[in-house]
Amino acid sequence: DQQVKQNSPSLSVQEGRISILNCDYTNSMFDYFLWYKKYPAEGPTFLISISSIKDKNEDGRFTVFLNKSAKHLSLHIVPSQPGDSAVYFCAASAQAGTALIFGKGTTLSVSS
Amino acid sequence: DAGVTQSPTHLIKTRGQHVTLRCSPISGHKSVSWYQQVLGQGPQFIFQYYEKEERGRGNFPDRFSARQFPNYSSELNVNALLLGDSALYLCASSLVVGGARTQYFGPGTRLTVL
Repeated sequence: DQQVKQNSPSLSVQEGRISILNCDYTNSMFDYFLWYKKYPAEGPTFLISISSIKDKNEDGRFTVFLNKSAKHLSLHIVPSQPGDSAVYFCAASAQAGTALIFGKGTTLSVSS
Repeated sequence: DAGVTQSPTHLIKTRGQHVTLRCSPISGHKSVSWYQQVLGQGPQFIFQYYEKEERGRGNFPDRFSARQFPNYSSELNVNALLLGDSALYLCASSLVVGGARTQYFGPGTRLTVL
């Protein structure tokens, strides 16, 4: 049973527009959420995180929104650039937990 | 500063063999975690070590084992390899368990079992 779900396997966006990647979770014990970007043949690169005490965190072009009541988070990339084309993973962890639980990823393609 | 390093980059083994993968964390990080990623899936947690002690274990068989050394580097061992063990093995480091929650990943070791 998947605890972290990324229901969109792929997303295509034009350069300069907004990319919105979505993630749902089922475990109410999760209190820390992260987004990673992964290029082929590389390890995941940390992008941005958010604690459950917040509902928004922003870092440059990347903003993560957390809706705890809906158990939903999203990553907004504005403006999207061709170099953003990669697989994006949502991950979550529980308080004092050890493991990051990952979704299956969403492949973002940004066309110029 | 150097990031997480892993060796080897690629490895080809046959069924039944044993493999050892190595990881060096970011300088100052005391916790190391191991993940397995198969094609089309997100990374799946195998182990976490902190201060040389196992702090967490995922749903993997006893063929998988790991250890952490005094310099915080780590090894992942897999015995009696199966075809299904073919995957990208990722090592991640973090400052401490529980506190700083972000884990930083290395480039991975691509294991192919024939």
